[in-house]
Amino acid sequence: KAGVTQTPRYLIKTRGQQVTLSCSPISGHRSVSWYQQTPGQGLQFLFEYFSETQRNKGNFPGRFSGRQFSNSRSEMNVSTLELGDSALYLCASSFGQGAGELFFGEGSRLTVL
Amino acid sequence: GESVGLHLPTLSVQEGDNSIINCAYSNSASDYFIWYKQESGKGPQFIIDIRSNMDKRQGQRVTVLLNKTVKHLSLQIAATQPGDSAVYFCAETGLNTGNQFYFGTGTSLTVIP
Repeated sequence: KAGVTQTPRYLIKTRGQQVTLSCSPISGHRSVSWYQQTPGQGLQFLFEYFSETQRNKGNFPGRFSGRQFSNSRSEMNVSTLELGDSALYLCASSFGQGAGELFFGEGSRLTVL
Repeated sequence: GESVGLHLPTLSVQEGDNSIINCAYSNSASDYFIWYKQESGKGPQFIIDIRSNMDKRQGQRVTVLLNKTVKHLSLQIAATQPGDSAVYFCAETGLNTGNQFYFGTGTSLTVIP
């Protein structure tokens, strides 16, 4: 069974640009969550989607957005990039609607110059 | 806000010894807890979970203990092996918050051969 796949794995952007990250969950999983990981703040919850609906949202500015498609694949977008957005962005999928084991991808490493 | 913290940022143990990693949480309404292991360059990997109606759960070489009175969680690894070297995170979520987990800052475990 294929795991969670995130693309791209690495990317470099400059301030003011925007970026779109993609996540393909494990087959059959309907919940997709996004987390930001930085050395200073650790792992922080961005948002969660279930059946194409945003179910929860973390404490991030509106520049961070996401969506989920009917096949459960998800994308997140960060607009007007700032230096502080440099981080590892992790996607996790889960099977059900309630809290359960998260299966993480290997992340997309974003560097903002 | 939510606060999940770790007592020790680093831990070194001899191969074959037992390891204990601690975690404190602040939300008494937390219902579900997970320990994750993250190796360099990889996403977090599920180790073991426990719900608030339990105080102990055992897996293969690992045991999680939950003390709700003092809001404390611990992970015990028996017969620690070099492959256990990684960063370990505790994560918690409350009722009705889906997969919005709050992660601790992590403990780096180094196993000395």
